[in-house]
Amino acid sequence: DSGVTQTPKHLITATGQRVTLRCSPRSGDLSVYWYQQSLDQGLQFLIQYYNGEERAKGNILERFSAQQFPDLHSELNLSSLELGDSALYFCASSVDRGEGIQYFGAGTRLSVL
Amino acid sequence: QKEVEQDPGPLSVPEGAIVSLNCTYSNSAFQYFMWYRQYSRKGPELLMYTYSSGNKEDGRFTAQVDKSSKYISLFIRDSQPSDSATYLCAMSARGNYGQNFVFGPGTRLSVLP
Repeated sequence: DSGVTQTPKHLITATGQRVTLRCSPRSGDLSVYWYQQSLDQGLQFLIQYYNGEERAKGNILERFSAQQFPDLHSELNLSSLELGDSALYFCASSVDRGEGIQYFGAGTRLSVL
Repeated sequence: QKEVEQDPGPLSVPEGAIVSLNCTYSNSAFQYFMWYRQYSRKGPELLMYTYSSGNKEDGRFTAQVDKSSKYISLFIRDSQPSDSATYLCAMSARGNYGQNFVFGPGTRLSVLP
């Protein structure tokens, strides 16, 4: 168990809908990262937050947004969902003293029908 | 040139074999080097991390970093069917802004009993 908690584990929704994925980082970790992984593909970095502020942005679509709250948990919001958004979404966290060693959650499996 | 390249695989070996997994990278600023194991549809699990050049051993796993060649390796001794997974290399550089880390695309390993 990495200590990173993601909810829900599975999400099934329809095209055009909006969903929110939640991540609780390991105790003491200040950075949260979001990734998308489509079937048999590599990890696609979406966005990183550090202590409530956006630190780095990857290939995140404009339909997607994220935030990190004062208690350090993070939410990834996906809107106007398309079939192609079906994927595994992972959250990772790190202490981020500069070494960037990330610990991953179990992921949320999103199915858009 | 891609920032990190990894042997594409898939790689199939018999049980008990020594496995060598490799990555090359282009950014000389990377200082931290990680290996993750990802079972199908699960979150990546941190196996090992090293700082700068050198070797690090943990049980059947040995990580090697050659910064002068920008080349890192993970060796698995006495491979087991339970080692069958996708292995991701990752590396990071110190920095407070922007994306200072990268993941390789992964090598899928199958250890046959």
